Amino acid sequence: GDSVTQMEGPVTLSEEAFLTINCTYTATGYPSLFWYVQYPGEGLQLLLKATKADDKGSNKGFEATYRKETTSFHLEKGSVQVSDSAVYFCALQPTGNTPLVFGKGTRLSVIA
Amino acid sequence: GAGVSQSPSNKVTEKGKDVELRCDPISGHTALYWYRQRLGQGLEFLIYFQGNSAPDKSGLPSDRFSAERTGESVSTLTIQRTQQEDSAVYLCASSFSNYGYTFGSGTRLTVV
Repeated sequence: GDSVTQMEGPVTLSEEAFLTINCTYTATGYPSLFWYVQYPGEGLQLLLKATKADDKGSNKGFEATYRKETTSFHLEKGSVQVSDSAVYFCALQPTGNTPLVFGKGTRLSVIA
Repeated sequence: GAGVSQSPSNKVTEKGKDVELRCDPISGHTALYWYRQRLGQGLEFLIYFQGNSAPDKSGLPSDRFSAERTGESVSTLTIQRTQQEDSAVYLCASSFSNYGYTFGSGTRLTVV
């Protein structure tokens, strides 16, 4: 079945460091890909998405590119801030309104 | 409402009791999803409603779990004869077409 694999955390970075959180997926067909973020004490929020190969999703300085050839959707940010500390979830949606399949999440801690 | 509302936000129950968790989706969202998030784990799909179609119950872990949805509005997730392993955060999300989910803040269930 469809699945998402994320790098295990926790990831601890200093402020202004470069961030990469790896995400790879297994799916039949052409899923849509998402990154969700869960800040401490809050619900999950959509961070960015991409619906087809080579699409780049971006938001709040974060970027991820849908790579069909490597079945990947790695999350990157050039300069992290303390306020980026959260748990990040990679997810895929096989088609339309079908349920999202989530990775296990990666906890990011950014220290000043 | 403006967002997905879940109630109660916290629920402590004794082992063996039944519990009901409620979700009010965003008005006009045709799809509604329930997920479970155990401590330190990813999101586990439970059940999915799409309009008036029969729900996708493929993620329900046992017959103690059931859910209903009235039209395209409120949904109730019921857990009968709760067990300690049911302790988790139960998340509801709604969506319209392929624009990603909007999650509620969740119900934290603790079975003692």
